[in-house]
Amino acid sequence: NAGVMQNPRHLVRRRGQEARLRCSPMKGHSHVYWYRQLPEEGLKFMVYLQKENIIDESGMPKERFSAEFPKEGPSILRIQQVVRGDSAAYFCASSRDGKPYEQYFGPGTRLTVT
Amino acid sequence: AQTVTQSQPEMSVQEAETVTLSCTYDTSESDYYLFWYKQPPSRQMILVIRQEAYKQQNATENRFSVNFQKAAKSFSLKISDSQLGDAAMYFCACHITQGGSEKLVFGKGTKLTVNP
Repeated sequence: NAGVMQNPRHLVRRRGQEARLRCSPMKGHSHVYWYRQLPEEGLKFMVYLQKENIIDESGMPKERFSAEFPKEGPSILRIQQVVRGDSAAYFCASSRDGKPYEQYFGPGTRLTVT
Repeated sequence: AQTVTQSQPEMSVQEAETVTLSCTYDTSESDYYLFWYKQPPSRQMILVIRQEAYKQQNATENRFSVNFQKAAKSFSLKISDSQLGDAAMYFCACHITQGGSEKLVFGKGTKLTVNP
């Protein structure tokens, strides 16, 4: 009974490179949420996806950031041309139909931009 | 805008004693859920306790209990018989449903230290 999986756990990128963060939801969950945690801060909502649909991306920066949750495979959070300010922990959570308030979190991916 | 405020950046407690962490929130929703999450140094987000806003009875989970004051929009966490393993960051969060979207709104956290 695997929980929410995220990989990689740690990712180092140089400024200008691309970062791809992956999230596999719990079995039976079709809703995925991405949150970002800056140093010394709480988690902030970025985007909410269902299979093949972006439901709410109001928390995502307009440029360089994108997310997808394809019919098959994990959800991907993609950050293009990373900058130092993108350094943070990125958490994915998932929930099943009918229980969006029961969000189970993955271990997070810590992105460091050098 | 929905906000969650934790006014105590840091708290400390002696082992076996009781500590209360404060949280206030602001939402225009009538139906919502409130949570306390624990984040140890491993950074894993661990759900401690959940409260449904429509329930008047305060939630309890073993040594953890909440004081939910809906009118005051207050949601404090009480940890009884504190243990060394309780040391962590604690985040208060509110789940809201808005315009077809679902999201958790988090406070900035309270760092809890447990002294032996």
